[in-house]
Amino acid sequence: DAMVIQNPRYQVTQFGKPVTLSCSQTLNHNVMYWYQQKSSQAPKLLFHYYDKDFNNEADTPDNFQSRRPNTSFCFLDIRSPGLGDAAMYLCATSRERGGTDTQYFGPGTRLTVL
Amino acid sequence: GQNIDQPTEMTATEGAIVQINCTYQTSGFNGLFWYQQHAGEAPTFLSYNVLDGLEEKGRFSSFLSRSKGYSYLLLKELQMKDSASYLCAVLDSNYQLIWGAGTKLIIKP
Repeated sequence: DAMVIQNPRYQVTQFGKPVTLSCSQTLNHNVMYWYQQKSSQAPKLLFHYYDKDFNNEADTPDNFQSRRPNTSFCFLDIRSPGLGDAAMYLCATSRERGGTDTQYFGPGTRLTVL
Repeated sequence: GQNIDQPTEMTATEGAIVQINCTYQTSGFNGLFWYQQHAGEAPTFLSYNVLDGLEEKGRFSSFLSRSKGYSYLLLKELQMKDSASYLCAVLDSNYQLIWGAGTKLIIKP
């Protein structure tokens, strides 16, 4: 049974057209993460939520926003996608922050910007 | 700065053994993870080391030396399905995961 679900798996948008990616989890984990991963590169953490506490990485562009309306769901909003935002977006969860809990990843959403 | 180094690509033969190395320089250390990532898919957890030594889990083993800032992932009896990228990640003093770029492992028959 899928534990971290991401929709859609593939998203195509036009340059400058806002897009929202979604993530849901059935693990009841406190922490949810959004990563951006470009081809042959390490995943880059964009932000994470500990419960409702939002934590933005210092170098995450303002173009990226996130919402976590409840424990199970988290959204990534890209307000004005540029060609450089084409990437795989990974959602992950962990039971706690500040510990050694494993992060569980969703299947990812591959974003194409035309 | 924080840095994780792994070889970009390795090639091995089906049935053989391969060792993927990872060296790290991070601000603090709270453990090292290895993840497997097939092309176009999400990373999946393989192992976690926080103490020095070898942890064996079936065909996969992971080794850590904290004094040397070094780890390796050992894959035995290689199968074609082991073709994937292998990502090393270190949990730093702030419990942030610092990721390597991954090693692409190509298995040949």
